[in-house]
Amino acid sequence: SAVISQKPSRDICQRGTSLTIQCQVDSQVTMMFWYRQQPGQSLTLIATANQGSEATYESGFVIDKFPISRPNLTFSTLTVSNMSPEDSSIYLCSVGPRGGLYGYTFGSGTRLTVV
Amino acid sequence: EDKVVQSPLSLVVHEGDTVTLNCSYEVTNFRSLLWYKQEKKAPTFLFMLTSSGIEKKSGRLSSILDKKELFSILNITATQTGDSAVYLCVTDKLIFGTGTRLQVFP
Repeated sequence: SAVISQKPSRDICQRGTSLTIQCQVDSQVTMMFWYRQQPGQSLTLIATANQGSEATYESGFVIDKFPISRPNLTFSTLTVSNMSPEDSSIYLCSVGPRGGLYGYTFGSGTRLTVV
Repeated sequence: EDKVVQSPLSLVVHEGDTVTLNCSYEVTNFRSLLWYKQEKKAPTFLFMLTSSGIEKKSGRLSSILDKKELFSILNITATQTGDSAVYLCVTDKLIFGTGTRLQVFP
């Protein structure tokens, strides 16, 4: 299965600032996915990022707040803009699935705390 | 609106017990359901189920899908403390269940 390197692992940020999260995949993939997991909650899909086109955002998420870049088939970034304490969450990227053996593979996650 | 619900929300057992985790779904154009184990941040893949009635098994874990009744179960036999985690089910449309937090005590 694919291996994803996600950075940073965690960060504490001041409100009003922005944080960019990176995901690097060890192989070329068509689609990458970004998620948010608020404290005590399950994962929620933020957007799907295809290389060469604009990301597709889920209901409740907008590009101005969560701009996404996908410059090539192995890399993507998610920016959390103008942060507030409500943005404190775990953010995850994933790729896949790749058949019945591996499902979706997730990055190691970024724990964001906004103070 | 597509929905995935897991039960119970939380489960506390002793080592050696057997547990059954439930996942029910109401999803349009359903194709498959996946189970994940989340211990810290990154969920790790357990099973992908696409066909009804065919059990998938890996060690002490097994899972089955019922596409008629729209649910899946994840069984863990002879639980160990290392099984303590949140277990998530998710559809191929990336709609996640609420999760079941399993705590296994020695």
